[in-house]
Amino acid sequence: EIVLTQSPGTLSLSPGERATLSCRASQSVRSRFLAWYQQKPGQAPRLLVYGASSRATGIPDRFSGSGSGTDFTLTISRLEPEDFAVYYCQQYGSAPRITFGPGTKVDIK
Amino acid sequence: EVQLVESGGVVVQPGGSLRLSCAASGFSFDDYTMHWVRQVPGKGLEWVSLISWDGDTTYYSDSMKGRFTISRDNSKNSLYLQMTSLRTEDTAFYYCAKDRASNGEWTFEYWGQGTLVTVSS
Repeated sequence: EIVLTQSPGTLSLSPGERATLSCRASQSVRSRFLAWYQQKPGQAPRLLVYGASSRATGIPDRFSGSGSGTDFTLTISRLEPEDFAVYYCQQYGSAPRITFGPGTKVDIK
Repeated sequence: EVQLVESGGVVVQPGGSLRLSCAASGFSFDDYTMHWVRQVPGKGLEWVSLISWDGDTTYYSDSMKGRFTISRDNSKNSLYLQMTSLRTEDTAFYYCAKDRASNGEWTFEYWGQGTLVTVSS
């Protein structure tokens, strides 16, 4: 099973700043099958990025994904107030053993 | 508009059984792989199970294999999760999720609001 590690655990930033979230896999993720989700308190997760770098439908272009192999990054170019949330990465390259990372919380500094 | 509405979450004793349901609307249900994903309150996400568009293919997380059964009724646009031999560690919100791609990419494009299953004596 591929284990995903996310860092940092918490990222404290101000609106307008750039956020860089890391997701590291215990082994190479096949074909860049890596997705990112955003979850706000009391809400279901929302798909942001799939295939490591493709934005999901309706996702603003301030969200971008990159990476391959074992190292992946989600970047939020300029944080908006609604972007403060928890972010999870998910790998589906070793499906059906689908796994999630533990999450990174982005909170207001 | 895609809607997924879960139901069936209750308080159940350890060793008990429960059936969750998910009513889908706003898309061609019988074209898509569907999933169950769970989340212990305040914790991270855990994939539970998936079922192909036609119901012929199912997969389970190792920790649920043999105890949970996923099924679907395309005539009713409904997804189900039969849970047996429940343990306290199965306490979680259970989300129904639609796959992003019709051929089953195994990413979760739309989610319901979740139903809470509490396993406690």
